Amino acid sequence: SQTIHQWPATLVQPVGSPLSLECTVEGTSNPNLYWYRQAAGRGLQLLFYSVGIGQISSEVPQNLSASRPQDRQFILSSKKLLLSDSGFYLCAWSGNRKYSNQPQHFGDGTRLSIL
Amino acid sequence: GESVGLHLPTLSVQEGDNSIINCAYSNSASDYFIWYKQESGKGPQFIIDIRSNMDKRQGQRVTVLLNKTVKHLSLQIAATQPGDSAVYFCAETNTGNQFYFGTGTSLTVIP
Repeated sequence: SQTIHQWPATLVQPVGSPLSLECTVEGTSNPNLYWYRQAAGRGLQLLFYSVGIGQISSEVPQNLSASRPQDRQFILSSKKLLLSDSGFYLCAWSGNRKYSNQPQHFGDGTRLSIL
Repeated sequence: GESVGLHLPTLSVQEGDNSIINCAYSNSASDYFIWYKQESGKGPQFIIDIRSNMDKRQGQRVTVLLNKTVKHLSLQIAATQPGDSAVYFCAETNTGNQFYFGTGTSLTVIP
């Protein structure tokens, strides 16, 4: 069966520090991968998605970036964190089937607090 | 842009009663819809999905209804249990890559 792992579960970082959040998927190949941010009591905001290695689409201009160095690895980064970057970050995967929609499956998220 | 909204931000039901959670969407081109359950501190969990060529789909204790005429989606939970307490999100897409999520309905089950 497929599993998705995100780490760390919680992170406290000072303003201006760098960020690296990692997500890996097991049990599937060539998945679509996604990064979302969820503000408290709000819905999910899509940040980035990837349909293959090295292919990243950005949905929201910001000081975050994403990379996909391997098929089942997705990384969210920042060179300098802002207070507004605080939130709950979720990684998700879906099957990559061209002609059939697939549900997204989420990891358990990273709670990021910026001080 | 997309607009996916929920009619009620909170819902309280007695244990054993049926729950109905509603969702409105604005993009008539959306052709795939999903309901998720999110417990505190965890990621959303897939519950059930439905494609636009259907108007009803049933799972274990859950039923999703899709009314494309009025662009409305609902999730029915039968015999609601305390473990059903969570935030429920609907999501829609017409591309398969970009999903748009509602803000969620918080369901509280009263024992």
